Amino acid sequence: GENVEQHPSTLSVQEGDSAVIKCTYSDSASNYFPWYKQELGKRPQLIIDIRSNVGEKKDQRIAVTLNKTAKHFSLHITETQPEDSAVYFCAAVTVGSGAAGNKLTFGGGTRVLVKP
Amino acid sequence: GAVVSQHPSWVICKSGTSVKIECRSLDFQATTMFWYRQFPKQSLMLMATSNEGSKATYEQGVEKDKFLINHASLTLSTLTVTSAHPEDSSFYICSAADLAGVTYEQYFGPGTRLTVT
Repeated sequence: GENVEQHPSTLSVQEGDSAVIKCTYSDSASNYFPWYKQELGKRPQLIIDIRSNVGEKKDQRIAVTLNKTAKHFSLHITETQPEDSAVYFCAAVTVGSGAAGNKLTFGGGTRVLVKP
Repeated sequence: GAVVSQHPSWVICKSGTSVKIECRSLDFQATTMFWYRQFPKQSLMLMATSNEGSKATYEQGVEKDKFLINHASLTLSTLTVTSAHPEDSSFYICSAADLAGVTYEQYFGPGTRLTVT
């Protein structure tokens, strides 16, 4: 099955700096890669996603890059703000693989702290 | 985005009793619902996948007789933790998806915090 590794596990940045989180996946059939932000005791919130036919996607201060050959993808947050402090999870899924597929495999999470 | 609710949001039960958690998709029909468990400071671990009208598919290591999943309609799935023990205390989160549609997205419920005393 799919295995997703995420680094770093914790990340402390100064407000205004950039934060980068990296993930690798093992299953070359994975074709959808969402990123989630989770605040303590709350549900994961989708912040950006990318499909395997795209190399990069940007939404305001957030961008995601995907390297299918190397099987890794990254989240970039620019101009970080204190409200960006949370746990971020990457995930990989093989969509369209039938009832047994379409499962999200999560990375281990990155605890991001933005210091004012 | 689509809305998924969970009930209850938190529950405390005694060891040996059973607890039922409901997951509802409020404004769309969910062909598939997923159940996750999250221990403190850990990632979400998929427990099982349920398709409406079919038996759930459990992940390796998840006891299907302990975690009963029912997906009787396109808007409701339930997870019953039977004979709960303190080690079952966790944050349980469901997600719902319409895999017959054009979006890949899964929509998460707000989670249920289970404490077994």
